[in-house]
Amino acid sequence: QVQLQESGPGLVKPSETLSLTCSVFGGSISGYYWTWIRQPPGKGLEWIGYIFNSGSTNYNPSLKSRVTISEDTSKNQISLKLTSVTAADTAVYYCARDRDYFHYWGQGAPVTVSS
Amino acid sequence: EIVLTQSPATLSLSPGERATLSCRASQSVSRYLAWYQQKPGRAPRLLIEDTSNRATGIPARFSGSGSGTDFTLTISSLEPEDFAVYYCQQRSNWSPFTFGGGTKVEIK
Repeated sequence: QVQLQESGPGLVKPSETLSLTCSVFGGSISGYYWTWIRQPPGKGLEWIGYIFNSGSTNYNPSLKSRVTISEDTSKNQISLKLTSVTAADTAVYYCARDRDYFHYWGQGAPVTVSS
Repeated sequence: EIVLTQSPATLSLSPGERATLSCRASQSVSRYLAWYQQKPGRAPRLLIEDTSNRATGIPARFSGSGSGTDFTLTISSLEPEDFAVYYCQQRSNWSPFTFGGGTKVEIK
């Protein structure tokens, strides 16, 4: 059974870069789509984007100018970077497997943007 | 971007009752719609994909229907563990994937 675990700083200052890592256990990241989704406090879900085979990415147009998703196959990890953050980026960030519908999810990493 | 509107925002029901949740899309998504269940402090769980296909391990009391712009999730007889928030999600090829705003199913 594949398991996903997000990690990273829980507090980021405005205008800085949010960086999160998703570690995958119980299977290789190769050959699968890996997606990031976020959920602001008390609100709904927002699709951020996905990566496939390290080179193929697709991002939400609303975030595209600030987002980078990458893979490290040697560590079996997926990474998310979001630049120039504001308070509106405060959310729980989830990594999930698959492109279209998300069968496996991590437990989520809460990130607060505040000075 | 395709907007998904879920109704009602809150559904107050008793265990054993039938729950009917609605999701309406701003334009056709064919049958490319999924449903998720989320409990407090937990990640969402996939229930239904492509309108009516239950994900692995999902009980038969959960069923989905619809096409185009109007979709329904039905829980035939609510169990205590079914009280949660439910989200729909579309995977159209010409729009970023989007989720509905959610329906909370609460105990009456």
